Amino acid sequence: QVQLVQSGAEVKKPGASVKVSCKASGYTFTFYFMHWVRQAPGQRPEWMGWINPSTGATNYAQKFQGRVTVTRDTSISTAYMQLSRLGSDDTAVYYCARGIYGDYEDGDYWGQGTLVTVSS
Amino acid sequence: DIQVTQSPSSLSASVGDRVTITCRASQNIRSFLNWYQQKPGKAPKLLFYVASNLQRGVPSRFSGSGSGADFTLTISSLQPEDFATYYCQQTYTSPYTFGQGTKVEIK
Repeated sequence: QVQLVQSGAEVKKPGASVKVSCKASGYTFTFYFMHWVRQAPGQRPEWMGWINPSTGATNYAQKFQGRVTVTRDTSISTAYMQLSRLGSDDTAVYYCARGIYGDYEDGDYWGQGTLVTVSS
Repeated sequence: DIQVTQSPSSLSASVGDRVTITCRASQNIRSFLNWYQQKPGKAPKLLFYVASNLQRGVPSRFSGSGSGADFTLTISSLQPEDFATYYCQQTYTSPYTFGQGTKVEIK
């Protein structure tokens, strides 16, 4: 069965960086784009970007350009999202997700979420 | 960025009620709209893609319609497990923006 398992909660100070991992299993990792979506407490979800695991190509929301880097390691079927220069408004649950744009027919799958707390 | 506005922001309904949620985009997005259901502490779950395509496993009491800038999610007979927050998301152009959500509560 398809599973996306994310790394654990993080607490960071303002100005620091965070790197969240998302390990995929149960399917061929390179066949599906991986997206990153975050959700601040009580707020709507916010799409951050995607990576094509096959080629490494990425597409980021303009809001995060220059601060976010999404990478992948195909040898361990894992995607990563790094966000730099953290501020308090980056406190959110970060999700990886598959099948939420263009490749719908095979179902949508989400990681369990990683809470990133930015606090001094 | 394309703005997506849902209405209402919340509603109270009873089991068995028909519920309708609307979503309006700030420009023509053809049919590039998804609907999600989210329960507290859980990731969103895709209900519809491209406006009216029911995601597998989603009950048929849910229906989605619309094109252009105006879209609707309807639950024909509300069930206890449907109490949740619903979001629409446009996928016409990056960034793929979400509506502010509609919380469906028990009356």
